Amino acid sequence: AQSVTQPDIHITVSEGASLELRCNYSYGATPYLFWYVQSPGQGLQLLLKYFSGDTLVQGIKGFEAEFKRSQSSFNLRKPSVHWSDAAEYFCAVGAHMVYNQGGKLIFGQGTELSVKP
Amino acid sequence: GAGVSQSPSNKVTEKGKDVELRCDPISGHTALYWYRQSLGQGLEFLIYFQGNSAPDKSGLPSDRFSAERTGGSVSTLTIQRTQQEDSAVYLCASSQRSYNSPLHFGNGTRLTVT
Repeated sequence: AQSVTQPDIHITVSEGASLELRCNYSYGATPYLFWYVQSPGQGLQLLLKYFSGDTLVQGIKGFEAEFKRSQSSFNLRKPSVHWSDAAEYFCAVGAHMVYNQGGKLIFGQGTELSVKP
Repeated sequence: GAGVSQSPSNKVTEKGKDVELRCDPISGHTALYWYRQSLGQGLEFLIYFQGNSAPDKSGLPSDRFSAERTGGSVSTLTIQRTQQEDSAVYLCASSQRSYNSPLHFGNGTRLTVT
């Protein structure tokens, strides 16, 4: 079964510092991978996605993520964090469509990011 | 254009009562999802609708939970005989097609069972 692990529940970084949020997935075939962000009181917004091709994907708000098949990882990075990046970040894996499973996404537990001045 | 709309935004109910949560997906989106977000628990998949296919109900936690989608558009999640452990934020999402298209989420309904 597919699963996603985000090892860090909470991370605090200083404004202007670099950021890396970890995500490990478990899936037998080539996964479709996503990062979503949830600001307080808001729904989730897609940051970026990986389907195939270049393993380094660029997203919105200056975020990028790298797919590493050998490590079953899809870590999210940003070179310089802004105070407005404080939010909760979710990694998700989607299975290739199979009969009666469709496009169900499995989410990780989330990583809460705090940014200190 | 309009995003995914959920109502009510907040719902407080007494233990044992039934509640209905509504989701209006983005027009033209054929796939609709319900997730539950509990404190510190991430997003728990509940149910998935795709067009006229039978829904994937594999995530519903008990038979007190049910959902329907009328006319391939609006969806209602019903929780019968609510329990305190049902307290959570219920998120709805829709997408253009089922095959791993990005999900567009609503802002959720915060359910509190007292």
